[in-house]
Amino acid sequence: EAEVAQSPRYKITEKSQAVAFWCDPISGHATLYWYRQILGQGPELLVQFQDESVVDDSQLPKDRFSAERLKGVDSTLKIQPAELGDSAMYLCASSLVQGTGELFFGEGSRLTVL
Amino acid sequence: AQSVSQHNHHVILSEAASLELGCNYSYGGTVNLFWYVQYPGQHLQLLLKYFSGDPLVKGIKGFEAEFIKSKFSFNLRKPSVQWSDTAEYFCAVNGATSGTYKYIFGTGTRLKVLA
Repeated sequence: EAEVAQSPRYKITEKSQAVAFWCDPISGHATLYWYRQILGQGPELLVQFQDESVVDDSQLPKDRFSAERLKGVDSTLKIQPAELGDSAMYLCASSLVQGTGELFFGEGSRLTVL
Repeated sequence: AQSVSQHNHHVILSEAASLELGCNYSYGGTVNLFWYVQYPGQHLQLLLKYFSGDPLVKGIKGFEAEFIKSKFSFNLRKPSVQWSDTAEYFCAVNGATSGTYKYIFGTGTRLKVLA
């Protein structure tokens, strides 16, 4: 069964350091999402890609966060510098189509900022 | 702006009890509605979805949900829960805004089923 791959699974870093997360969606899925999930809350959309283009990054803190999907396949989410409040689970999801498409999630990358 | 509200944050039930989890959404246009589930130690996965047609939709593992347009609600139900239903449940709404479909999730309901 095809899966969304994410790495690393866990990351511990000190504040002001740079962090990067990687996601490889299910093959053929044009839409890719990065969500942040703080403990006890629902996933919050950070950025949405359609192929290699960003279609929504309205909730992405652009002063420290960046995301790219250069060839329209895998994607990287970067935080620089990391802050204590960035501690969360970062989820990647993909879907075949926008709109009615089911989201397929990866296992997530848990970030702890000390 | 789109938003999703889940009223129950924590629910504890005994096995065989009936379950209903509330979900209300706010959106001005046509929406697609979903329930996702996250079992302990696993990733989020789709439980059921509603796009159009019969407002009562059936999902996996005996779950169902009813879309009531006049109430902007999409409540999740199961007549008789099992210990294995212990999980976190998320309601999600997907609607087009300026040509882009945005997936918005509720805060989740943590269900614990006692054996």
